[in-house]
Formats: sequence, structure tokens, C-alpha cells
Amino acid sequence: EAGVTQFPSHSVIEKGQTVTLRCDPISGHDNLYWYRRVMGKEIKFLLHFVKESKQDESGMPNNRFLAERTGGTYSTLKVQPAELEDSGVYFCASSQTGLDVYGYTFGSGTRLTVV
Amino acid sequence: GNSVTQMEGPVTLSEEAFLTINCTYTATGYPSLFWYVQYPGEGLQLLLKATKADDKGSNKGFEATYRKETTSFHLEKGSVQVSDSAVYFCALPTYNQGGKLIFGQGTELSVKP
Repeated sequence: EAGVTQFPSHSVIEKGQTVTLRCDPISGHDNLYWYRRVMGKEIKFLLHFVKESKQDESGMPNNRFLAERTGGTYSTLKVQPAELEDSGVYFCASSQTGLDVYGYTFGSGTRLTVV
Repeated sequence: GNSVTQMEGPVTLSEEAFLTINCTYTATGYPSLFWYVQYPGEGLQLLLKATKADDKGSNKGFEATYRKETTSFHLEKGSVQVSDSAVYFCALPTYNQGGKLIFGQGTELSVKP
């Protein structure tokens, strides 16, 4: 089966611009998670979708970040306007069952650089 | 709340050297514990896991034992290879919060021939 696909793999934008990251989960996976790793620190949870609904968005840093999952398929994470501290690697993961941690599949990540 | 503390890197070793990456945790109850690995240009992969105290997870020559008394889950490998060069993350799940993972800060390992 195809894995979790993220694109772009890299993005360099200027402060104040808008960037949209996309994640295509494994087909049939209802659960979709976004994580972020900033400046070599720990990977932090951003939010969790169950189908098209936001189950938990407690990790979203501020209202410059907007995540959507239309139709319960792919998800987008928009940063508007981007700030320097938003630079980092954004990971997406999907699973069939939220509590079945063993079944998570991660994407390769999007490396975002804000200059 | 739950947290994971992992030894900082980067770690540079020669091929066939012994590897230890320390990981300690704070958690309510006794959750499963995981090591994830990210090879260059790839996504995060589950390397090994342990589901209860004293369990030993193992995979690809790596081992980690779930130590309840020391709240640790140190990753070890007896003889590293150049192909083991990657970033390693210790993690624990939060089953009562939708299954999201809490990660350590990651340890970058570089193995030289």
C-alpha cells in the first residue's frame, strides 16, 4: 500500500508570506496527526483529525495556523502569515485506530524555512 | 504530565562501536514505550517497542528494556554500522488523549567507517 505522502518536501518562504503544507494519509485511515520539530528539539504534537473532524487541536501554536481535512481524505496545514519561529520540520502521520499506536505511519516530513 | 527526556546529540561513533542512547520518562501509569528512527530523507519509522515493565524490545540489532524502577528505556546496540546513521527518538503514547505521541528531543547518530 502507498505510504503517507507529504509535499512539498522543502519550502523556503519569506516572513509574512503564506505557506500550505499537504498530507495524503494512507487510504482508509480515519486518523490523521500533525507534528512539528523545531530547531532540533523534540517532535511536538499539533493536532489530530478523526475523518474530517478536529479531535484535538491543543498543540496548535496560535491562530496563524489553520488545518483542514476536507472530506476526511487529505489534510492541509496553512501558516499565514509565517514567522521566523515557524521554521522546522512538519510531520504527518495516519492510523486506522487512534489508540493503536503501533499502526501509525509517518510521512517524510516537510522542511519549512522562513527567512 | 507525561514527558520524555533523551540524551542530546550529536553522537559520533566509529563502525562496530557500542551505542547507548539514554531515555527517561515521566508518566501516569505504565504506558508502552517506543523508539522511532528517521533515516536521511525518510519518514519516522517505529524501531522497537515495549509494552510493560521489564519487557525488552528489539529490532535490527537494537535493544531497549523498559525499566520501571529507573523510569528508563535506553537504546543499545552492540556494534553499529554506517547504515545506522540517523536520528533516534524516544516516545510514549497518551492513550487517554487520542493516542498522540510524546517525543524526546531526538539524538542524531553519525557512524564513521
